[in-house]
Amino acid sequence: KQEVTQIPAALSVPEGENLVLNCSFTDSAIYNLQWFRQDPGKGLTSLLLIQSSQREQTSGRLNASLDKSSGRSTLYIAASQPGDSATYLCAVFGGSSGTYKYIFGTGTRLKVLA
Amino acid sequence: GAGVSQTPSNKVTEKGKYVELRCDPISGHTALYWYRQSLGQGPEFLIYFQGTGAADDSGLPNDRFFAVRPEGSVSTLKIQRTERGDSAVYLCASSQAGADTIYFGEGSWLTVV
Repeated sequence: KQEVTQIPAALSVPEGENLVLNCSFTDSAIYNLQWFRQDPGKGLTSLLLIQSSQREQTSGRLNASLDKSSGRSTLYIAASQPGDSATYLCAVFGGSSGTYKYIFGTGTRLKVLA
Repeated sequence: GAGVSQTPSNKVTEKGKYVELRCDPISGHTALYWYRQSLGQGPEFLIYFQGTGAADDSGLPNDRFFAVRPEGSVSTLKIQRTERGDSAVYLCASSQAGADTIYFGEGSWLTVV
């Protein structure tokens, strides 16, 4: 059974810092991995999607890497801003049993202090 | 519409009542997902539709939960004999194909009292 873990569970940093959020998954036979952002009381917004054949994806100040064989992904946020404060979730699609759905981690709650 | 639309946005119901939650996906998206999210947790998978059929309903917690998508677009999640433990945010998402970028609605906040 695919399990997704995110570390740390919460993070508070001063504005301007570069930071790394971690995601690990137990079954490496995935199709892709997505990183999402969720603001309080809102739905999820997709930030980056990495296909299983890719090593990384970049969008603005965000960079996500994928090491499929070791079951890990990281989301790098450069020059953090207070507007980046949100919960960040990773989700993997697929697994050895042919699972055809996204399995989510519990998220990292980020607070960027002005 | 431009995004995934869910109604109602908030629903308060009494224990034992029947509830329907509606999802209108992005036009043309064949894949539709229902998730449930409790406070401080990640979304928990409930059911996945490809077109009109439920391709995977392994996440439905018990037979009080049922979902349909009769014409391959709008979907309804139905909960019978609601219990207080059913209180959560119910999220709907759609994508062009299963293993693709998925787009979430704002969710339906269900409170069972």
